[in-house]
Order: sequence, then C-alpha cells, then structure tokens
Amino acid sequence: EPEVTQTPSHQVTQMGQEVILRCVPISNHLYFYWYRQILGQKVEFLVSFYNNEISEKSEIFDDQFSVERPDGSNFTLKIRSTKLEDSAMYFCASSERAGGRTDTQYFGPGTRLTVL
Amino acid sequence: AQSVTQLGSHVSVSEGALVLLRCNYSSSVPPYLFWYVQYPNQGLQLLLKYTSAATLVKGINGFEAEFKKSETSFHLTKPSAHMSDAAEYFCAVSEGQAGTALIFGKGTTLSVSS
Repeated sequence: EPEVTQTPSHQVTQMGQEVILRCVPISNHLYFYWYRQILGQKVEFLVSFYNNEISEKSEIFDDQFSVERPDGSNFTLKIRSTKLEDSAMYFCASSERAGGRTDTQYFGPGTRLTVL
Repeated sequence: AQSVTQLGSHVSVSEGALVLLRCNYSSSVPPYLFWYVQYPNQGLQLLLKYTSAATLVKGINGFEAEFKKSETSFHLTKPSAHMSDAAEYFCAVSEGQAGTALIFGKGTTLSVSS
C-alpha cells in the first residue's frame, strides 16, 4: 500500500542552524501538508501546499519556515534559524484530490527534531 | 474557529470491554470530523470520517462513531476491545477557507489489559 515517507526519522541540530525536513508524498496525490506536535501538546497545522504554492498556513508558519517541492517526488519543510521551541515531531501528509474539507490526509511517520 | 475537545487523556479498558473515546466539537459551520489513530513509531492513520452523508460512521478495525449535532459530539466506540487497539487516538475537524487544515484534539491514549 502506498505511504508517505519522511527522512530523517530524528534530527538533532544546534539553535540558529537551518534544517530541512524531507517528505515523499504518495505519488498521485496533489495536496501536501506539514503539521507539528510539540511533546505533550496537540498536533498543529502548519501549512498546506497545492500546485506549487501555499494554499493555507497557520500563525505558527512565520518567515522562519518555508516549503518547497523541488522535484516531482519530494516535499520539504525548511526552518531557517532554529529555536529551542521548534523542537517537535513534524508530520508530513498528502491527499489525493485538490483540497477540500472532506479529503483524507495520509500521514507519514514523522521526523523528530531536537534543537539544542 | 473550529475546535475539538477530547475528554480524558487516558482511557483504560479490559480486553473484550466496550471502548468509548469522547470528542466534542465547536464549529460555526457544518463540521467535517475525523478520527485518527497513532500506533507507536508510526504516522497517524485515518479510522473514519464524518462528511454529513450519514450520522453513524463505520471505520476500520471495528470502530464506529456517531455524529450528534444536538450534543456537538462525535464519540468513537468499539464494542469489544482487543489488545492491538492500544494506541493514541485523535479527533480532528477540518478548517480553513479551503478546508485544508485539520484541527486536532489533544489525543486520548487507550490502554487495553488482558
């Protein structure tokens, strides 16, 4: 069964460094998402992406964050200058249709980011 | 803005017992609601979703949920728990102008004892 994959599974970085989290969505999916979950807190929406542009973003997704689909298979989340509070599990997701409130989002296993 | 509240961060049941995980929503528009499950070291997997077609929704692994507008609830149930049901369960509602953002509850950890 097709699935969303994410690399790396765990990334450790120093405060102020740039990190890129990578995701490979399901191949025929059109919509891509990033979420994060700080330890002990809710899963929070960051951004959705369709047709090579951001569709929606939350207040969390400030200028420190960016997303890109550099080729036909990868979808990346970049954090330019990491802060301690960026430490979290980051989930990538994708959905088949062109957005919509009832679409099923398929999630990857997550990347645990630890900022020291 | 839409939101969901999951009552009980941890629920413990015996194998074979009824599972009831509670979710209440707040929404100014007709909500679309989801239940996801997360097993250790895995991503979130959709159990079921409510899209206004039917108020009783059946999902995978024997789970079902009933949408009750009068109670603003979407509780998840399973008649008989199995050890393999032990996981974390998340209720979510879709939000945003394009409806692409899922707003999650805090999650409920289900433990099943033999």
